[in-house]
Amino acid sequence: DIQMTQSPSSLSASVGDRVTITCQASQDISNYLNWYQQKPGKAPKLLIYDASNLETGVPSRFSGSGSGTDFSFIISSLQPEDIATYYCQQYDNLPPFFGGGTKVAIK
Amino acid sequence: QVQLVESGGGLVKPGGSLRLSCAASGFTFSDYYMSWIRQAPGKGLEWVSYISSGGSTIYYADSVKGRFTISRDNAKNSLYLQMNSLRAEDTAVYYCAQTTGWYAYWGQGTLVTVSS
Repeated sequence: DIQMTQSPSSLSASVGDRVTITCQASQDISNYLNWYQQKPGKAPKLLIYDASNLETGVPSRFSGSGSGTDFSFIISSLQPEDIATYYCQQYDNLPPFFGGGTKVAIK
Repeated sequence: QVQLVESGGGLVKPGGSLRLSCAASGFTFSDYYMSWIRQAPGKGLEWVSYISSGGSTIYYADSVKGRFTISRDNAKNSLYLQMNSLRAEDTAVYYCAQTTGWYAYWGQGTLVTVSS
């Protein structure tokens, strides 16, 4: 199984700050890495697919990069509505594990 | 627009059974793989199972293998999850999701609680 190590598990930042979340795979997954946002009581929402592709309708302040084993997710300017938990997910191999999540709060 | 609506959740005793359904609309259901993903209270996301577009390819997480059965009825645009021998650790919100490697569309989830 490919394990996904996501960090940090939580962070607090100010509105307008640049926020970076990382995800490390236990083996090479090429670019088969997706990012989701989940707000409390809601289903997850796809933000980024294949490491760096922005899903239609997602604000451009969200971006993703990386390949192989190391990936980054960036919010270029944190907004109040970005308060959520973010998850990475690999699909190079079964099972398609999710990372443990990063809870983002406003300072 | 794409809609996925889960149903069938509820309270069940350990060892009991439950069948979840997911009604799909707004896309050609028979063209897509579908998955079940769950989330225990206060925990992260856990993939449970997926089924290919025609139903011939099926995979399960080790945690549910032998107890859960995924199926679909393309004529009814519906996905199912038969859950047997339920355990307390199966307590979670269960989501169905359209699957293309990523999960672009999710249902609202249905809560399954396993407790005596």
